[in-house]
Amino acid sequence: SAVISQKPSRDICQRGTSLTIQCQVDSQVTMMFWYRQQPGQSLTLIATANQGSEATYESGFVIDKFPISRPNLTFSTLTVSNMSPEDSSIYLCSVEDQFGSRVLFGSGTRLTVV
Amino acid sequence: GQQVMQIPQYQHVQEGEDFTTYCNSSTTLSNIQWYKQRPGGHPVFLIQLVKSGEVKKQKRLTFQFGEAKKNSSLHITATQTTDVGTYFCADGGSQGNLIFGKGTKLSVKP
Repeated sequence: SAVISQKPSRDICQRGTSLTIQCQVDSQVTMMFWYRQQPGQSLTLIATANQGSEATYESGFVIDKFPISRPNLTFSTLTVSNMSPEDSSIYLCSVEDQFGSRVLFGSGTRLTVV
Repeated sequence: GQQVMQIPQYQHVQEGEDFTTYCNSSTTLSNIQWYKQRPGGHPVFLIQLVKSGEVKKQKRLTFQFGEAKKNSSLHITATQTTDVGTYFCADGGSQGNLIFGKGTKLSVKP
C-alpha cells in the first residue's frame, strides 16, 4: 500500500502567522484528502485536493483560511492561514489505496497555536 | 448532512473482558470502514464492510454490518492492553471521502 510522508510532525506557532503542511505519497494518486482532528475529537474532512483543479472544500472550511496546492499526483500542501488558538489541532492528509478499499493516513501534523 | 453516530464514547474494561462499539446511520451506507487510533498516533485502517449482513473476523476482532446497511459493530473478545486506543467507524462514501463517527475510546486495565 501507499506510503505517506507528512511534515512537519508538529509545530508551535504564533497567532496571526501561517503554517504550510506538506504531504508526499510514494505513488500517484488521483485524490488526496485533508482532515482536521481537534483535541479529543473525531476527524473532520477539510477538503479534497485534486490535481489540476481547485480543491473542493467541505462546509465550514474556506480556501482563504486553508489554501491547498496539488501540483502533481504525489504531493499536496495545506496552509493554515492567520492562525488562532482555535486552529490548534492535528492535521492529517490521506489517500485512497489503489483498490479503493481503504483510506490511508499520514502520521499527522500536531499544531499548537499560542 | 450525513452523520454517523457511535457509542459508547468511552469504555473502560478489565483485561480479558469483551468490548463492543456500535455505529448507526440514519441513511443506508455504501460501505463502512473501521479505524484504530492509538494515543498520539494516526488512524490506521482495520477493515471495510460492504455487503448487507457481512461479518468479518480478524483474530479477536469481529466486525458486523447490519442487514439494512445502517449499522455496524466492532467486538473485541478478551481485551488486551494492546487494544487500547480510539476506535472509529466511518461512512466510506465515495472515493476516500470519509465521514467519521465520534469514536469510542477504549482503556484496558491490566
